[in-house]
Amino acid sequence: QSALTQPASVSGSPGQSITISCTATSSDVGGFTYVSWYQHHAGKAPKVMIYDVSYRPSGVSDRFSGSKSGNTASLTISGLQAEDEADYYCSLYTSSNDYVLFGGGTKLTVL
Amino acid sequence: QITLTESGPALVKVTQTLTLTCTFSGFSLTTNEVGVVWIRQPPGKALEWLAIIYWNDDKRYSPSLKNRLIVTKDTSKNQVVLTVTNMDPVDTATYFCAKTNWGSWYFDLWGRGTLVTVSS
Repeated sequence: QSALTQPASVSGSPGQSITISCTATSSDVGGFTYVSWYQHHAGKAPKVMIYDVSYRPSGVSDRFSGSKSGNTASLTISGLQAEDEADYYCSLYTSSNDYVLFGGGTKLTVL
Repeated sequence: QITLTESGPALVKVTQTLTLTCTFSGFSLTTNEVGVVWIRQPPGKALEWLAIIYWNDDKRYSPSLKNRLIVTKDTSKNQVVLTVTNMDPVDTATYFCAKTNWGSWYFDLWGRGTLVTVSS
């Protein structure tokens, strides 16, 4: 069964850029097509930041971008702001098992 | 404006059945291609996808939990209900519902979640 691996934590200073990776441990990930990223501030509703690898929902800052290479998807946040400090989760739909996997989450600290 | 709100008991006992309700507004589960998903997050752990139900009553379940989950909808009340049988302390989690769309596999609007604790 596939799993998605994210770094436990990343940090950066205001104005800097950071990248969070999301790596599938199995090759049966259906081309890594349906990858999305969620921002979660504790106690609040999670928010989708990127869907289908690199698409931004309306209203999401263009400082957030997504990409993929092989079995790894990435979320890049440029021009870090204090409000970006949150937990970030990747998710992937696996057609082989017809369900959605989530990564373990990455805690972003803005220094 | 779309909102989703989860409700249910804060505390259940081992082996009991948990029933959670997601009450939503701003959209309808009679609209083509609309769906509602349930996701949970144990304290300090990752999100876990549980189940999804679509406007046409198509349902999907997490393979690891499918024997314990039932998801239903009541379109007249704008509600989706998740039932989890045989609760165990490992099921202690914040349970979220979220809106989705057929074939999109991302969840565009979420509720704030409800914490359920399973006591022995």
